[in-house]
Amino acid sequence: QVQLQESGPGLVKPSQTLSLTCTVSGASFSSGSYYWNWVRQHPGKGLEWIGCISHSGTTYYNPSLQGRVTISIDTSKNQFSLRLSSVSAADTALYYCARNYGSGSDFWGQGTLVTVAS
Amino acid sequence: DIQMTQSPSSVSASVGDRVTLTCRASQGISRWLAWYQQRPGKAPRLLIFAASTLQSGVPSRFSGSGSGTDFTLTISSLQPEDFATYYCQQGISFPHTFGQGTKVEIK
Repeated sequence: QVQLQESGPGLVKPSQTLSLTCTVSGASFSSGSYYWNWVRQHPGKGLEWIGCISHSGTTYYNPSLQGRVTISIDTSKNQFSLRLSSVSAADTALYYCARNYGSGSDFWGQGTLVTVAS
Repeated sequence: DIQMTQSPSSVSASVGDRVTLTCRASQGISRWLAWYQQRPGKAPRLLIFAASTLQSGVPSRFSGSGSGTDFTLTISSLQPEDFATYYCQQGISFPHTFGQGTKVEIK
């Protein structure tokens, strides 16, 4: 069974960089069939697609995040990571990682809440 | 970016009701559409992909249809566990935008 688990600090100070890691188990991480996604959800709001990365390292980002996003992958550790720079209170959200095979995201992590506050 | 608009934003229904949710894309997306269910405090769950293909393990009371710009998710007979928020997502071009969601509430 495929499992994804987010990890990282739950509290980040304004203007600093948010860093999260998603560890994947039960899946072939080097398969070319999947994109590995980050999605966030502001408290009480809808889903926002942040970006994704392929096994080969090709990335796609949401332009709304204005170049603050970097997604990387470490296939040797079965992990992919999110870095969001210059955070503000508007980046306080529940962050999910998910596997997408082009037609939809079939496996998701449980989500991790990140609060931006001093 | 492709904008996804869901309607209604919320719907009240009773157990056993037939419920139809709508998702409209701002430009044609062929059949590159997925539907998700999100229960409170849980991660989204993929229900439908490629507009009408039922994800493994999803009950057959869920069905999807549409192509191009207009899509629907139908729950043929609402069950207690179906009270949740439903999202559509396009997958034809990046960013893979979501709709704003439709909340299905108990009448």
